[in-house]
Amino acid sequence: KAGVTQTPRYLIKTRGQQVTLSCSPISGHRSVSWYQQTPGQGLQFLFEYFSETQRNKGNFPGRFSGRQFSNSRSEMNVSTLELGDSALYLCASSQYGTPYNEQFFGPGTRLTVL
Amino acid sequence: QKEVEQNSGPLSVPEGAIASLNCTYSDRGSQSFFWYRQYSGKSPELIMFIYSNGDKEDGRFTAQLNKASQYVSLLIRDSQPSDSATYLCAVTPSNFNKFYFGSGTKLNVKP
Repeated sequence: KAGVTQTPRYLIKTRGQQVTLSCSPISGHRSVSWYQQTPGQGLQFLFEYFSETQRNKGNFPGRFSGRQFSNSRSEMNVSTLELGDSALYLCASSQYGTPYNEQFFGPGTRLTVL
Repeated sequence: QKEVEQNSGPLSVPEGAIASLNCTYSDRGSQSFFWYRQYSGKSPELIMFIYSNGDKEDGRFTAQLNKASQYVSLLIRDSQPSDSATYLCAVTPSNFNKFYFGSGTKLNVKP
């Protein structure tokens, strides 16, 4: 089975711009979660989608949004980029997103905001 | 109080020794517990998970869970230099659908 894929792998943007990141989960997985990882804050949960519905959301401003398509692929969008948004953005998929389903991570998208 | 706490390390152990990594969590109703390994510049990869009190062994790795003490640990036997990485503890709280990660413990295994 192919693993979780994320595109693009690297992005450089300037403050005020917006960005869209894409994630394709493992085939058959219906839950996709997004995380932000920075050296200072570690891995922080952004949101989780299951069957095109956002089931849970972390403590991030409304500039961070996401969606999931019928084929379980997911996108996240960050609008009005700030310098502090520079981070590694990881998506993880699991079969059903229940507590007993382990998550598998993609390689991440490294976003640099100048 | 953070949902998941880990000592950031670094924890240094000689090759062949047992490395012991610890994690505490705040939500007493937490359901499941995971250990991930993350090499520098890479994404986390799942090592193992545990749901029930006690020990669970997988090769050189043993996860230990004590729900009464809200404590989960990972033992790595016969540590190898290739085990040098950051180890992340993740917990699924009682309200499901979220994973809370600790900040990770950096392990250095010295040849």
